[in-house]
Amino acid sequence: DGGITQSPKYLFRKEGQNVTLSCEQNLNHDAMYWYRQDPGQGLRLIYYSQIVNDFQKGDIAEGYSVSREKKESFPLTVTSAQKNPTAFYLCASADWGTAYEQYFGPGTRLTVT
Amino acid sequence: GENVEQHPSTLSVQEGDSAVIKCTYSDSASNYFPWYKQELGKRPQLIIDIRSNVGEKKDQRIAVTLNKTAKHFSLHITETQPEDSAVYFCAANGNQFYFGTGTSLTVIP
Repeated sequence: DGGITQSPKYLFRKEGQNVTLSCEQNLNHDAMYWYRQDPGQGLRLIYYSQIVNDFQKGDIAEGYSVSREKKESFPLTVTSAQKNPTAFYLCASADWGTAYEQYFGPGTRLTVT
Repeated sequence: GENVEQHPSTLSVQEGDSAVIKCTYSDSASNYFPWYKQELGKRPQLIIDIRSNVGEKKDQRIAVTLNKTAKHFSLHITETQPEDSAVYFCAANGNQFYFGTGTSLTVIP
Protein backbone atom coordinates (compact mmCIF):
# COMPACT_ATOMS: atom_id res chain seq x y z
CA ASP A 1 0.00 0.00 0.00
CA GLY A 2 2.92 2.38 -0.35
CA GLY A 3 3.17 5.19 -2.85
CA ILE A 4 0.28 7.44 -1.94
CA THR A 5 -1.01 7.96 1.57
CA GLN A 6 -3.90 9.80 3.12
CA SER A 7 -4.44 10.68 6.73
CA PRO A 8 -6.37 10.27 8.84
CA LYS A 9 -8.49 7.29 7.81
CA TYR A 10 -11.49 8.54 9.79
CA LEU A 11 -12.19 12.17 10.70
CA PHE A 12 -14.98 13.65 12.75
CA ARG A 13 -15.77 17.35 12.88
CA LYS A 14 -18.49 19.64 14.12
CA GLU A 15 -20.45 21.65 11.61
CA GLY A 16 -18.94 25.07 10.95
CA GLN A 17 -15.33 23.97 11.34
CA ASN A 18 -12.81 23.85 8.55
CA VAL A 19 -10.87 20.60 8.22
CA THR A 20 -7.80 19.68 6.19
CA LEU A 21 -7.23 16.25 4.68
CA SER A 22 -3.69 15.17 3.96
CA CYS A 23 -2.43 13.51 0.76
CA GLU A 24 1.22 12.59 0.16
CA GLN A 25 2.84 10.65 -2.67
CA ASN A 26 6.38 9.41 -3.25
CA LEU A 27 5.80 8.25 -6.83
CA ASN A 28 7.29 11.42 -8.35
CA HIS A 29 3.99 12.05 -10.14
CA ASP A 30 3.28 15.50 -11.48
CA ALA A 31 -0.52 15.25 -11.35
CA MET A 32 -2.64 14.90 -8.24
CA TYR A 33 -6.40 14.74 -7.78
CA TRP A 34 -9.09 14.92 -5.13
CA TYR A 35 -12.35 13.03 -5.52
CA ARG A 36 -15.44 12.79 -3.42
CA GLN A 37 -17.43 9.56 -3.24
CA ASP A 38 -20.91 9.34 -1.77
CA PRO A 39 -22.69 6.01 -1.06
CA GLY A 40 -23.72 4.27 -4.24
CA GLN A 41 -22.22 6.96 -6.42
CA GLY A 42 -19.20 7.35 -8.61
CA LEU A 43 -16.15 9.51 -8.20
CA ARG A 44 -16.66 13.22 -8.54
CA LEU A 45 -13.65 15.44 -9.11
CA ILE A 46 -13.12 18.28 -6.64
CA TYR A 47 -9.75 19.73 -7.66
CA TYR A 48 -6.72 18.62 -9.62
CA SER A 49 -3.18 19.81 -10.08
CA GLN A 50 -0.86 18.95 -12.94
CA ILE A 51 2.13 20.89 -11.69
CA VAL A 52 3.41 22.49 -8.51
CA ASN A 53 1.84 25.86 -7.65
CA ASP A 54 -1.01 25.33 -10.09
CA PHE A 55 -4.41 23.68 -9.72
CA GLN A 56 -7.82 23.67 -11.40
CA LYS A 57 -11.37 23.29 -10.18
CA GLY A 58 -13.19 20.07 -10.88
CA ASP A 59 -16.92 19.56 -11.14
CA ILE A 60 -17.71 20.15 -7.44
CA ALA A 61 -15.08 22.62 -6.15
CA GLU A 62 -17.46 24.86 -4.22
CA GLY A 63 -16.73 24.79 -0.50
CA TYR A 64 -13.28 23.24 -0.94
CA SER A 65 -9.77 24.66 -1.29
CA VAL A 66 -6.37 23.12 -2.11
CA SER A 67 -2.71 24.03 -2.29
CA ARG A 68 0.21 22.48 -4.18
CA GLU A 69 3.36 23.92 -2.69
CA LYS A 70 5.33 20.68 -3.07
CA LYS A 71 5.21 17.99 -5.71
CA GLU A 72 4.63 15.33 -3.06
CA SER A 73 1.74 16.99 -1.24
CA PHE A 74 -1.79 18.09 -2.18
CA PRO A 75 -3.85 18.88 0.94
CA LEU A 76 -7.59 19.47 0.69
CA THR A 77 -9.45 21.83 3.02
CA VAL A 78 -13.15 21.27 3.49
CA THR A 79 -14.53 24.64 4.52
CA SER A 80 -17.66 25.50 6.46
CA ALA A 81 -19.14 26.67 3.15
CA GLN A 82 -19.45 23.07 1.93
CA LYS A 83 -23.11 22.21 2.49
CA ASN A 84 -22.81 18.42 2.71
CA PRO A 85 -19.23 17.58 3.67
CA THR A 86 -19.82 14.08 5.02
CA ALA A 87 -18.33 11.70 2.43
CA PHE A 88 -15.44 9.43 1.51
CA TYR A 89 -12.56 11.46 0.06
CA LEU A 90 -10.03 9.90 -2.27
CA CYS A 91 -6.76 11.37 -3.39
CA ALA A 92 -4.98 10.12 -6.50
CA SER A 93 -1.82 10.81 -8.44
CA ALA A 94 -0.73 10.11 -12.00
CA ASP A 95 2.24 10.46 -14.28
CA TRP A 96 0.14 12.54 -16.61
CA GLY A 97 2.77 13.00 -19.25
CA THR A 98 3.30 9.32 -20.00
CA ALA A 99 1.33 6.63 -18.26
CA TYR A 100 -2.00 8.24 -17.32
CA GLU A 101 -2.76 5.51 -14.78
CA GLN A 102 -4.14 6.95 -11.56
CA TYR A 103 -2.99 5.55 -8.24
CA PHE A 104 -5.42 6.08 -5.39
CA GLY A 105 -4.77 6.62 -1.72
CA PRO A 106 -6.68 4.61 0.89
CA GLY A 107 -9.20 7.41 1.44
CA THR A 108 -10.42 9.49 4.35
CA ARG A 109 -13.95 9.10 5.64
CA LEU A 110 -15.12 12.48 6.92
CA THR A 111 -18.15 12.77 9.15
CA VAL A 112 -19.50 16.19 10.04
CA THR A 113 -22.23 16.49 12.64
CA GLY B 1 -15.97 18.22 -21.56
CA GLU B 2 -16.13 14.45 -21.54
CA ASN B 3 -19.24 12.55 -20.45
CA VAL B 4 -18.94 8.89 -19.46
CA GLU B 5 -22.03 6.73 -19.03
CA GLN B 6 -21.89 3.26 -17.50
CA HIS B 7 -24.41 0.41 -17.56
CA PRO B 8 -25.75 -1.51 -15.78
CA SER B 9 -25.66 0.02 -12.32
CA THR B 10 -26.08 -3.41 -10.69
CA LEU B 11 -25.33 -6.87 -12.02
CA SER B 12 -25.78 -10.30 -10.45
CA VAL B 13 -24.34 -13.43 -12.03
CA GLN B 14 -23.91 -17.05 -11.01
CA GLU B 15 -20.40 -18.18 -10.21
CA GLY B 16 -18.72 -19.35 -13.39
CA ASP B 17 -20.84 -17.19 -15.70
CA SER B 18 -19.56 -14.16 -17.58
CA ALA B 19 -20.19 -10.52 -16.71
CA VAL B 20 -20.17 -7.59 -19.12
CA ILE B 21 -20.16 -3.91 -18.21
CA LYS B 22 -20.48 -1.21 -20.86
CA CYS B 23 -19.43 2.42 -21.02
CA THR B 24 -19.87 5.16 -23.57
CA TYR B 25 -17.93 8.38 -23.87
CA SER B 26 -18.49 11.60 -25.76
CA ASP B 27 -15.08 13.18 -26.46
CA SER B 28 -13.45 11.71 -29.55
CA ALA B 29 -10.11 13.08 -28.32
CA SER B 30 -10.08 10.70 -25.33
CA ASN B 31 -7.39 8.08 -25.82
CA TYR B 32 -7.05 6.20 -22.53
CA PHE B 33 -9.75 4.04 -20.94
CA PRO B 34 -9.05 2.39 -17.57
CA TRP B 35 -11.24 0.11 -15.49
CA TYR B 36 -11.08 0.17 -11.70
CA LYS B 37 -12.32 -2.31 -9.11
CA GLN B 38 -13.34 -1.02 -5.69
CA GLU B 39 -14.12 -3.31 -2.80
CA LEU B 40 -16.22 -2.01 0.06
CA GLY B 41 -14.39 0.69 2.01
CA LYS B 42 -11.22 0.29 -0.05
CA ARG B 43 -9.46 2.37 -2.66
CA PRO B 44 -10.18 1.84 -6.38
CA GLN B 45 -7.52 -0.29 -8.03
CA LEU B 46 -6.73 -0.48 -11.71
CA ILE B 47 -7.54 -3.88 -13.17
CA ILE B 48 -7.08 -3.26 -16.88
CA ASP B 49 -6.75 -0.37 -19.28
CA ILE B 50 -6.77 0.18 -23.02
CA ARG B 51 -5.47 2.90 -25.28
CA SER B 52 -7.17 4.12 -28.40
CA ASN B 53 -4.67 2.51 -30.75
CA VAL B 54 -5.89 -1.02 -29.91
CA GLY B 55 -9.31 -2.63 -30.06
CA GLU B 56 -8.99 -5.33 -27.43
CA LYS B 57 -6.81 -6.25 -24.49
CA LYS B 58 -6.94 -9.36 -22.33
CA ASP B 59 -5.45 -10.29 -18.97
CA GLN B 60 -6.40 -13.78 -17.82
CA ARG B 61 -10.15 -13.72 -17.07
CA ILE B 62 -10.53 -10.00 -17.78
CA ALA B 63 -10.77 -8.34 -21.17
CA VAL B 64 -11.61 -4.89 -22.43
CA THR B 65 -12.85 -4.00 -25.90
CA LEU B 66 -12.92 -0.55 -27.46
CA ASN B 67 -14.97 0.70 -30.40
CA LYS B 68 -13.67 4.18 -31.22
CA THR B 69 -16.19 4.78 -33.97
CA ALA B 70 -19.14 4.15 -31.69
CA LYS B 71 -17.34 5.65 -28.68
CA HIS B 72 -17.94 2.74 -26.38
CA PHE B 73 -15.82 0.30 -24.43
CA SER B 74 -16.69 -2.77 -22.40
CA LEU B 75 -15.30 -4.88 -19.58
CA HIS B 76 -15.68 -8.64 -19.85
CA ILE B 77 -15.08 -10.95 -16.91
CA THR B 78 -15.22 -14.67 -17.65
CA GLU B 79 -15.54 -17.59 -15.22
CA THR B 80 -16.61 -15.24 -12.46
CA GLN B 81 -15.71 -16.01 -8.86
CA PRO B 82 -17.16 -14.69 -5.58
CA GLU B 83 -14.05 -12.54 -5.07
CA ASP B 84 -14.96 -10.65 -8.25
CA SER B 85 -17.85 -9.11 -6.30
CA ALA B 86 -17.13 -5.37 -6.08
CA VAL B 87 -17.98 -2.05 -7.70
CA TYR B 88 -16.38 -1.50 -11.09
CA PHE B 89 -15.74 1.95 -12.59
CA CYS B 90 -14.84 2.87 -16.12
CA ALA B 91 -13.09 6.12 -16.97
CA ALA B 92 -11.90 8.16 -19.92
CA ASN B 93 -9.28 10.86 -20.07
CA GLY B 94 -9.92 14.34 -21.33
CA ASN B 95 -8.21 17.32 -19.72
CA GLN B 96 -8.95 15.38 -16.54
CA PHE B 97 -10.27 11.90 -15.76
CA TYR B 98 -14.00 11.31 -16.11
CA PHE B 99 -15.47 8.32 -14.28
CA GLY B 100 -18.63 6.37 -14.88
CA THR B 101 -21.11 6.02 -12.04
CA GLY B 102 -20.08 2.45 -11.25
CA THR B 103 -21.50 -1.07 -11.53
CA SER B 104 -22.05 -3.14 -8.42
CA LEU B 105 -21.27 -6.73 -9.40
CA THR B 106 -22.42 -9.61 -7.21
CA VAL B 107 -21.23 -13.13 -7.99
CA ILE B 108 -23.55 -15.70 -6.43
CA PRO B 109 -21.80 -18.90 -5.27
